[in-house]
Formats: sequence, C-alpha cells, structure tokens
Amino acid sequence: GNSVTQMEGPVTLSEEAFLTINCTYTATGYPSLFWYVQYPGEGLQLLLKATKADDKGSNKGFEATYRKETTSFHLEKGSVQVSDSAVYFCALKRSGATNKLIFGTGTLLAVQP
Amino acid sequence: GAGVSQSPSNKVTEKGKDVELRCDPISGHTALYWYRQSLGQGLEFLIYFQGNSAPDKSGLPSDRFSAERTGGSVSTLTIQRTQQEDSAVYLCASSSTREINEKLFFGSGTQLSVL
Repeated sequence: GNSVTQMEGPVTLSEEAFLTINCTYTATGYPSLFWYVQYPGEGLQLLLKATKADDKGSNKGFEATYRKETTSFHLEKGSVQVSDSAVYFCALKRSGATNKLIFGTGTLLAVQP
Repeated sequence: GAGVSQSPSNKVTEKGKDVELRCDPISGHTALYWYRQSLGQGLEFLIYFQGNSAPDKSGLPSDRFSAERTGGSVSTLTIQRTQQEDSAVYLCASSSTREINEKLFFGSGTQLSVL
C-alpha cells in the first residue's frame, strides 16, 4: 500500500543550525510529495511540494528534493530560526487520485535561541 | 469565509454519547476532507466530499462514524456511541477544485475527549 515514514522527534536544535528531517515513502505509480507544517495553535499549511522525480520544492528557506531512486523527500534548511518551531508532516498523493493525502506521523521541531 | 472554520474547538463527552463536529469550508471550495490526528499517530484520512457526494469513505473506522455535507458547503461528522479510542483531534480541510495537486487548507481542528 501507500505509506509515508518520517523520522521521529522531537528534534531540538539551536538557532542557525542546519536542519534535516528525513521522509521516505512507499507508493505505486508516480506520487506527488508534500511537506505541511503546523505552527502552535494553527492549522496545517502547505510548506512545499514536488510533483515529479528530481523536482525540488522550496519555500521560506526550506527545500526538499523528490528522489525516486531512494523513495525519499527529506526536508532541509540551512539555518533554522526560533520561529520555525512547529510540527512538520511529510505527505504523498497518489498519481491520478483526488487530492487526498497520506501523511506521516509528524516531526516536532524545537529551535532554541 | 477567510479560512476553514471548525466547531467546537474542544468537546468533552462521556463514553456512549453521540457527538457532532462541524466544518465550514472556505467559500467556493468544492472538495472537503476529514482527517483524524491521534496522539503519536499521523493524520488518518476519514472521508472525502466532492460537492455533496462522498466518493471516498474508505477511512471511516467503523459504522459509528458518518458524515454529510449539504449545499456544497458545511459538513458534519457524527460519531455515535463514542468510545475512548475516538479521542483525537478531528481536522477538516478544503480545496477549490479537482485540479491535481491542489493545496489543502486546514482548519484548526476539534479536540475530542471521550471520558
């Protein structure tokens, strides 16, 4: 079946540190891949997406590259800020399907000043 | 509306009671999704609406769960005879069209606690 696996948190970093949150997926066909973010007290919102192999999604200094050979979509940021503290969810959408998303379990990121 | 609105934001109920959770999507959004977020779990898909019809109900965990949507707008998720394992945050999302890879807009959720 289709599934998403992401690293367990919490991830605790100091401000300006480099961030990687790992995400791997299992899917048939050619899924689209997403990162959603949930800031404290807010609803989930789309952070970035990639719709085909080798695409790179980017937003707010975050990047993720769709790697079909390793079935991965790892989230990276070169220098995190306290305001990046949130829960990050990796998700996939099956090719040809509705916009129904299959989510990972989420990774809590805590950035300390 | 400005965003997806869910009510109530918190609901505490006793085991065996019925509850109704409401979702008011962004005006004009034809697609609506319900998800459940349990402690330590990811977001679990429950049901998808396109307009007033539900072509995908595959995530509803049991026949105690049902949902409807009227006027292509507001949706209600009903849980009958609640159990403690139903305790979770119930999230609603909407999107504007069937366009592929359309972004989902999420509400802040309803925190359901079954005692």
